[in-house]
Amino acid sequence: NAGVTQTPKFRVLKTGQSMTLLCAQDMNHEYMYWYRQDPGMGLRLIHYSVGEGTTAKGEVPDGYNVSRLKKQNFLLGLESAAPSQTSVYFCASSYSIGILEAFFGQGTRLTVV
Amino acid sequence: DQQVKQNSPSLSVQEGRISILNCDYTNSMFDYFLWYKKYPAEGPTFLISISSIKDKNEDGRFTVFLNKSAKHLSLHIVPSQPGDSAVYFCAAWEGGGKLIFGQGTELSVKP
Repeated sequence: NAGVTQTPKFRVLKTGQSMTLLCAQDMNHEYMYWYRQDPGMGLRLIHYSVGEGTTAKGEVPDGYNVSRLKKQNFLLGLESAAPSQTSVYFCASSYSIGILEAFFGQGTRLTVV
Repeated sequence: DQQVKQNSPSLSVQEGRISILNCDYTNSMFDYFLWYKKYPAEGPTFLISISSIKDKNEDGRFTVFLNKSAKHLSLHIVPSQPGDSAVYFCAAWEGGGKLIFGQGTELSVKP
């Protein structure tokens, strides 16, 4: 039982490069989330999805795009990376009703130079 | 504007004593609250939750209290153990699937 898996775990990008972070969950969860964690800022919601084919903006969506073409996958894209996007990125998923506990992946450490 | 606030970046307590972590929120639409624990280089893990229709929920050494009128919740850990040393995040559900976290409080439990 893998839970929530993030790929890659580490990445170094040059300013202006693009990349996609992949999140996969095997728990049949409806909701999926992308957060970034920065010192003193806690976990800030970038984008989220309440079901396949749907996405919504969170607290800090600028500079990021997302897609949820399949229920089990949630992709986070950076079209033109900036040093301000250096962070640790976490993906999470949860059910939509009942137990609302969100399960997190192990994180992706991204450095933009 | 931060909707979920944890104003204490750190807390240090002695082993065996009570740890109290606090969280304030501004959005009255939040209807479910959670606490998470995070160790370095790992993802956050769920600890305990409370619905807005309750004022207390207990699970072993962990108790969460909710004061809706003050828009305040707290996590009590009794007794505190060295293994409890971690960063604790408060989180709140807004309708429509939005899950918002606070800044976190780093708890250090000293032997």
